[in-house]
Formats: sequence, C-alpha cells, structure tokens
Amino acid sequence: ELVLTQSPGSLSLSPGERATLSCRASQSVSSAYVAWYQQKPGQAPRLLIYGASSRATGIPDRFSGSESGTDFTLAISRLEPEDFAVYYCQHYGNSRITFGRGTRLEMK
Amino acid sequence: ELQLVESGGGLVQPGGSLRLSCASSGFTVSDNYMSWVRQSPGKGLDWVSLIYSGGSTYYADSVKGRFTASKDNSKNTLYLQLNSLRTEDTAIYYCARVLLYDRSGFYYPHLDYWGQGTLVAVSS
Repeated sequence: ELVLTQSPGSLSLSPGERATLSCRASQSVSSAYVAWYQQKPGQAPRLLIYGASSRATGIPDRFSGSESGTDFTLAISRLEPEDFAVYYCQHYGNSRITFGRGTRLEMK
Repeated sequence: ELQLVESGGGLVQPGGSLRLSCASSGFTVSDNYMSWVRQSPGKGLDWVSLIYSGGSTYYADSVKGRFTASKDNSKNTLYLQLNSLRTEDTAIYYCARVLLYDRSGFYYPHLDYWGQGTLVAVSS
C-alpha cells in the first residue's frame, strides 16, 4: 500500500519568504499521477499542481512543483498572505487515491 | 461554470444510515470519473470512493461493505449511501471530479473540481 509522507508537518514563515514542502512516496510512482492541493479553513481543497509540475488554471506562477525519484516538492517562491494554508500531496493509481497527511504553512 | 453541490449530511446514531448527494452542473457525471473524499474534524483528507464513468466502483478499506457509491445520469447526480455508520465516520464529505487528461491530452489524473462538502456527524 502506497504511503505519502509529507514534511514538515508544519512550517512557520513570513510573507515574502520561500516555502519548500516535501512529499515522499513509499514506493516508485509515476510523477504523472501526483498532484498538490491547498486548503484554507472552512473551504474545500483547491487544485494547485497536477502531473507533479503542471500548474492548474489560475494558479500563480510563484507555485511550482518538481520531482526527484520518489520525492516530490511544492515550492512557493515568495509567500503572499493568502498562501498560508494546509497543503496536501495526492496520488492516483490502481483504482485508489492516496493523500499525504498535509503540511500546515503558518505565518510567522 | 462547473459546480458540485453536496447535500444529505446530518446527525445520525451509530449503526444508522444516510444518503449523500452530489449534484453537478457544467459537465456530465456519466462521462467522468468521480470521487468521494472525507475529512474528520481537524484532520487531513481521506479518500473514500471512486466511481468510474462506466459505473465500476472502488472503496477505501475502512468503508468497504458499508458505503456504496452510485450515480443517476438522468439527474447528473452522484450518490454515496452510508450504512452501519460508526463514530469514526464523522467527517465532512466532499465529492470531486477526477479529470484524467489535461488540455494537451496527456494522462494526468487529478481532482480538479470539488464541492463545498456536507457534514456527517455520527453520535448517540
């Protein structure tokens, strides 16, 4: 069974700083099947990145995704106040969907 | 505009049942893969069910045998029947569309549209 481990569990940064969020897969997966979502309190998740590195429609270019083997990274180049939220990575495959446990990005 | 609207949540006793609905507009449920995802209070996202365009269904182990996903193509609506509910099923339940291909035709499955969620509370 695939497990996605996100780190850190929480991250405290200031606006304007760069954020780097990690998602490690417990086994080899295709990057095509990895996505990232942002969730703010009281809201449904919002798609940010699909195919590990493709930005969804309307997502600012300060958000970027990359992969190296079983490690996937979401980077936010210059944090805006609206970027402070919880971020989830997700994999689709073998007729099931797996989410990581999330990284909470907090404002310092 | 594509939209998903869930309904049917509420308070139910352990062992009880509920049927959740997810009405879609702007696209055809029958032509798409759809998913249910839940989120317990203060916790992360947990996948519940997938239903393919052809009607095949798949479930997380935690709900298999208790939950049933279905769709009514004439109503463009997705359903999730929840039976034998347990306190640990308490969560916000979201429906989402699973888009398989991007605009260039590459296979990149992802959940592109989500409903606002409906709360299921299981308590005596």
